[in-house]
Amino acid sequence: AQSVTQLGSHVSVSEGALVLLRCNYSSSVPPYLFWYVQYPNQGLQLLLKYTSAATLVKGINGFEAEFKKSETSFHLTKPSAHMSDAAEYFCAVSPNFGNEKLTFGTGTRLTIIP
Amino acid sequence: NAGVTQTPKFRVLKTGQSMTLLCAQDMNHEYMYWYRQDPGMGLRLIHYSVGEGTTAKGEVPDGYNVSRLKKQNFLLGLESAAPSQTSVYFCASRPREVSYEQYFGPGTRLTVT
Repeated sequence: AQSVTQLGSHVSVSEGALVLLRCNYSSSVPPYLFWYVQYPNQGLQLLLKYTSAATLVKGINGFEAEFKKSETSFHLTKPSAHMSDAAEYFCAVSPNFGNEKLTFGTGTRLTIIP
Repeated sequence: NAGVTQTPKFRVLKTGQSMTLLCAQDMNHEYMYWYRQDPGMGLRLIHYSVGEGTTAKGEVPDGYNVSRLKKQNFLLGLESAAPSQTSVYFCASRPREVSYEQYFGPGTRLTVT
């Protein structure tokens, strides 16, 4: 069984500041991990994914995440926030085999302060 | 490619009415999914399918039925709608390969009064 915890349902950062969205997972087998972004009134779009290659994963729009097995974490970061980053972000986990299903976190709404 | 499309985009139902949501994908994906999204609860899996003619229950299947008669289509049915089914419904699809992500449709906003 797997689960995801996203710490902070709402995060606000100033434009140009560091973005840090936290994700911790629980999985009984080696996981695949995903970050998705959802803009208002749209579906989910993949930002990046970890599939057991490099532990530091780079995604679209300047985002990256680091897989830390010892901390069971997969935090999402971006060095400098833009207004266009305002959205809801979801972390998701699946096992690395027989993985028909994803388990999603409850989401973090990111607000950018001008 | 259109990707994953959902029909309709919006719908209002009265309690007890029935309806079918249609999901279509043109990427030849084997796996397809139906989720519902409610505030503060993330996405919860309703039903999914790992191939044409197969379906399986997800986390919250009660009150819903599904069918996958064609590989490209995945239908979600509500036989007798209830206010608790007011939600935004998302369809997703994915190739069979284990490392691939799911591709999402734009969603259907359903209100049951």
